[in-house]
Amino acid sequence: GQQLNQSPQSMFIQEGEDVSMNCTSSSIFNTWLWYKQDPGEGPVLLIALYKAGELTSNGRLTAQFGITRKDSFLNISASIPSDVGIYFCAGQLSRGSQGNLIFGKGTKLSVKP
Amino acid sequence: DSGVTQTPKHLITATGQRVTLRCSPRSGDLSVYWYQQSLDQGLQFLIQYYNGEERAKGNILERFSAQQFPDLHSELNLSSLELGDSALYFCASSVRPSSGLDRPRAYNEQFFGPGTRLTVL
Repeated sequence: GQQLNQSPQSMFIQEGEDVSMNCTSSSIFNTWLWYKQDPGEGPVLLIALYKAGELTSNGRLTAQFGITRKDSFLNISASIPSDVGIYFCAGQLSRGSQGNLIFGKGTKLSVKP
Repeated sequence: DSGVTQTPKHLITATGQRVTLRCSPRSGDLSVYWYQQSLDQGLQFLIQYYNGEERAKGNILERFSAQQFPDLHSELNLSSLELGDSALYFCASSVRPSSGLDRPRAYNEQFFGPGTRLTVL
């Protein structure tokens, strides 16, 4: 089946630093979504991207839908301790009402105060 | 709070047993998705229901089944449980008809519940 390659697997950074993570696929996706998951909780939707080349921000988070439609990246600027968690990319192949997500393995972010 | 609720939060059972996990989608959402999250496999899509009908199937075992009821809540039934079925099970919902034709994107934005942690001993 389709797979998403998400990197890096983990990051350990200093508070205030910027963070960048990305996802690539061998398949073309119509939608890219980025989620954050805290321990013991469900994934929380951060940003949704629908168009190749689209750049969307949500506060200190910025994500882009790659031109080839096979990749996406997420940037976090000026990281803070509450950014700690696991970030997942997810791609969706189909539009409309049939739209299960394919998830990357996640990037675990640790922030040192 | 995503608006999606799942019960129970934790479930501990023995091999060979059968359990039922319950999900209530966000108010008005027509689609419900079930995902399994394990340490080695990550988040894997199991099955989707849309307004009571099965819409898509993923890597769901034959021992597992699901249904969506007229009030749109959904249940995931896991039977003949094995040790390897221990995982977090998440339900997600999407698609609010009130979003309108100018929001086809509503189909794509899935909101997850807090999950049910299943432990099979």
